Amino acid sequence: QKEVEQDPGPLSVPEGAIVSLNCTYSNSAFQYFMWYRQYSRKGPELLMYTYSSGNKEDGRFTAQVDKSSKYISLFIRDSQPSDSATYLCAMRNQGGKLIFGQGTELSVKP
Amino acid sequence: ETGVTQTPRHLVMGMTNKKSLKCEQHLGHNAMYWYKQSAKKPLELMFVYNFKEQTENNSVPSRFSPECPNSSHLFLHLHTLQPEDSALYLCASSQDLAGGPFNGEQYFGPGTRLTVT
Repeated sequence: QKEVEQDPGPLSVPEGAIVSLNCTYSNSAFQYFMWYRQYSRKGPELLMYTYSSGNKEDGRFTAQVDKSSKYISLFIRDSQPSDSATYLCAMRNQGGKLIFGQGTELSVKP
Repeated sequence: ETGVTQTPRHLVMGMTNKKSLKCEQHLGHNAMYWYKQSAKKPLELMFVYNFKEQTENNSVPSRFSPECPNSSHLFLHLHTLQPEDSALYLCASSQDLAGGPFNGEQYFGPGTRLTVT
């Protein structure tokens, strides 16, 4: 079993839709959870991070962590064509290396 | 220059060639990383350096040889590669190794797209 599972997609939505991206994990010691966005021909850039369980909101983006279910989500409201990218979840425990999901390719159509 | 830069951006090499990838970070960070990104696969951590010292080699074949002359520069020397080594090679840096709440946040460069023929 992979430590982090993420559906690779591709996921295609119309502009303005609410997008839900998810990852599951198996290591209960993970404490820090991140979402990276990677545009084509670019390196990943940190989009959101959360520590432990709960929600975090930043503009149109909301990150959720449910440690009891070992499940994290990224929601994008009012999606825009500029949100088209690959979204990578990543997580680690204290002092541990970052473990990435496979990435979900998102396309937002005008 | 800001952030993390990588050169070259694209590289095509034969299996008998020797080449080097270069990474430079302008963020004053102490830790640097090499990752391999293949299509439809998670990022694979290859090497970690902290204050110029290698702290992790993730069972990487010896045809990949890292070098970290100082905290701002990181190289990946390549020789006798295989076609399956074709991938995007990403460099990243962080203030420190993952320890506190978020001093381990990693900043990535744009990557070098490597094709081995």
